[in-house]
Amino acid sequence: KQEVTQIPAALSVPEGENLVLNCSFTDSAIYNLQWFRQDPGKGLTSLLLIQSSQREQTSGRLNASLDKSSGRSTLYIAASQPGDSATYLCAVDGSGYSTLTFGKGTMLLVSP
Amino acid sequence: GAVVSQHPSRVICKSGTSVKIECRSLDFQATTMFWYRQFPKQSLMLMATSNEGSKATYEQGVEKDKFLINHASLTLSTLTVTSAHPEDSSFYICSASPGTSGGYNEQFFGPGTRLTVL
Repeated sequence: KQEVTQIPAALSVPEGENLVLNCSFTDSAIYNLQWFRQDPGKGLTSLLLIQSSQREQTSGRLNASLDKSSGRSTLYIAASQPGDSATYLCAVDGSGYSTLTFGKGTMLLVSP
Repeated sequence: GAVVSQHPSRVICKSGTSVKIECRSLDFQATTMFWYRQFPKQSLMLMATSNEGSKATYEQGVEKDKFLINHASLTLSTLTVTSAHPEDSSFYICSASPGTSGGYNEQFFGPGTRLTVL
């Protein structure tokens, strides 16, 4: 059974810092990996999707990498801003049928 | 972009009553819809997958007679929590995909429904 772990569980940084969020998964036979953002009491916003054949994806200040063989992904956030404060969720699709397994998330707080 | 809505956003009900949550895809046709449950500080857990016009596929451990899912049209799926109990209190999130379950298609998530059972 696929398990997704995210480290750290919580992170607090001052504005402007670059930071890295980690995601690991136990079964490397995945079709894709996604990073989502969730604001308190809200739904999910998709940030980046990495197909299993890709190594990284970039969107603005966000860069996600994928090392499928080692079962790891990182989300890099450059020049963090208070508006980046949210919970970041990592999810993998191990079935190819859009069935996602989520991690518990990293709660990020960026202080002004 | 693709927008998914949920209604209601919050609901409080008494133990033993039934609650219906609606999930709508507003600007696309959703062949497949997914229902998730999220407890505080926990992962989203997939409850069931539904394709329009067919019965939902439930994940192991999810009672299909308690969590009734109807996907009667390409823009609407409903989740009914029957005979709700306090342990059913949770955050329920739906997602919708324009494709079928075979092969990856992006999921678009709704804003969630907070259910509190007294």
